[in-house]
Amino acid sequence: KAGVTQTPRYLIKTRGQQVTLSCSPISGHRSVSWYQQTPGQGLQFLFEYFSETQRNKGNFPGRFSGRQFSNSRSEMNVSTLELGDSALYLCASSLVQENTEAFFGQGTRLTVV
Amino acid sequence: QQQVKQSPQSLIVQKGGISIINCAYENTAFDYFPWYQQFPGKGPALLIAIRPDVSEKKEGRFTISFNKSAKQFSLHIMDSQPGDSATYFCAASMGGNMLTFGGGTRLMVKP
Repeated sequence: KAGVTQTPRYLIKTRGQQVTLSCSPISGHRSVSWYQQTPGQGLQFLFEYFSETQRNKGNFPGRFSGRQFSNSRSEMNVSTLELGDSALYLCASSLVQENTEAFFGQGTRLTVV
Repeated sequence: QQQVKQSPQSLIVQKGGISIINCAYENTAFDYFPWYQQFPGKGPALLIAIRPDVSEKKEGRFTISFNKSAKQFSLHIMDSQPGDSATYFCAASMGGNMLTFGGGTRLMVKP
């Protein structure tokens, strides 16, 4: 059974640009969550999608957005990139919405220069 | 308050010893408490999880102890091995899959 797939693995962007990250959940999983991991702030929740609807959103500015498609694949977008957006962005998939095991991908390492 | 506090930040244990990592939470609405293990360059991997109606859960060498009244839970790694050297995160959630993570503990197991 394939795990959670995140693409690309690495990205280098310039301040002010925008970026789109992709996540393919485990087959059959309908819930996708996104997290930002940095040395200073640790792992922070960005948002969660279930059946193409955003269910929860973390405390991040509106520059961070996401969506989920009918096949449960998800994308997150960061507009007007700032240096502080450099981080490992992790996607996690779960079978259903309620407190089930969350399986993480390897993440996308974003560097903003 | 959504915070989950984790200690210690780093831990060195001899091979065969017991590694103990502690977490405390404030929000009594939390009802799911997983522990994750993360190796460099990898995403976190679920180790073991517990719900508040259980005081202890054991899976192999890993045990979660849960104290609902104290709002604390801990991970015990028995017979620690060098391969257990990684960063460990506790987390908590209350419905849905929105996890609030502790700050992480970097464990080093010396041969």
